[in-house]
Amino acid sequence: GAGVSQSPSNKVTEKGKDVELRCDPISGHTALYWYRQSLGQGLEFLIYFQGNSAPDKSGLPSDRFSAERTGGSVSTLTIQRTQQEDSAVYLCASSSGPLGEQYFGPGTRLTVT
Amino acid sequence: EDQVTQSPEALRLQEGESSSLNCSYTVSGLRGLFWYRQDPGKGPEFLFTLYSAGEEKEKERLKATLTKKESFLHITAPKPEDSATYLCAPGSGGYNKLIFGAGTRLAVHP
Repeated sequence: GAGVSQSPSNKVTEKGKDVELRCDPISGHTALYWYRQSLGQGLEFLIYFQGNSAPDKSGLPSDRFSAERTGGSVSTLTIQRTQQEDSAVYLCASSSGPLGEQYFGPGTRLTVT
Repeated sequence: EDQVTQSPEALRLQEGESSSLNCSYTVSGLRGLFWYRQDPGKGPEFLFTLYSAGEEKEKERLKATLTKKESFLHITAPKPEDSATYLCAPGSGGYNKLIFGAGTRLAVHP
């Protein structure tokens, strides 16, 4: 079946602009995660959604970052007033439940110039 | 504080030369220990989940084992297509909040 999809695959933006990154999880998966992978760094947890519960936002690095998940499916990660240090690959993952293995999408490479 | 350390950072092997990758972790309330493979420019690909000390899982040339403080990924007679970065991630908490190690970059040469 279809895996996790993310769009766009690449995004180049100017410093100070807002960007939106999209994630389509595997159909039927109730849990959705966002991670960030900077060059040479490990994956950094950003936010977790489970069904209709309040998300765990503890990994968001600043209030410029926000995410929402509509209808328990598609999720959008928004970065406002982008900075050069936001340049990274943003990865989305989904799982069948809170304790299931996470399946990752291909990522969105964000470059802030 | 939860911590994950993977070693070595990079490993170069000849085709057929078996070896092991190490993942040392300090995590409270371990829910599961996950191994992923990541190819350049792609998202991590799930390999294994281990839940308790003493557990072992195998897939083709890979075998993962778990103790209370470490996990090992053994690669037997590797092939060039096994070249990738291998990531270890223990999960803890009310859901599997994964803490990823920096990974081991494996290069297998013919």
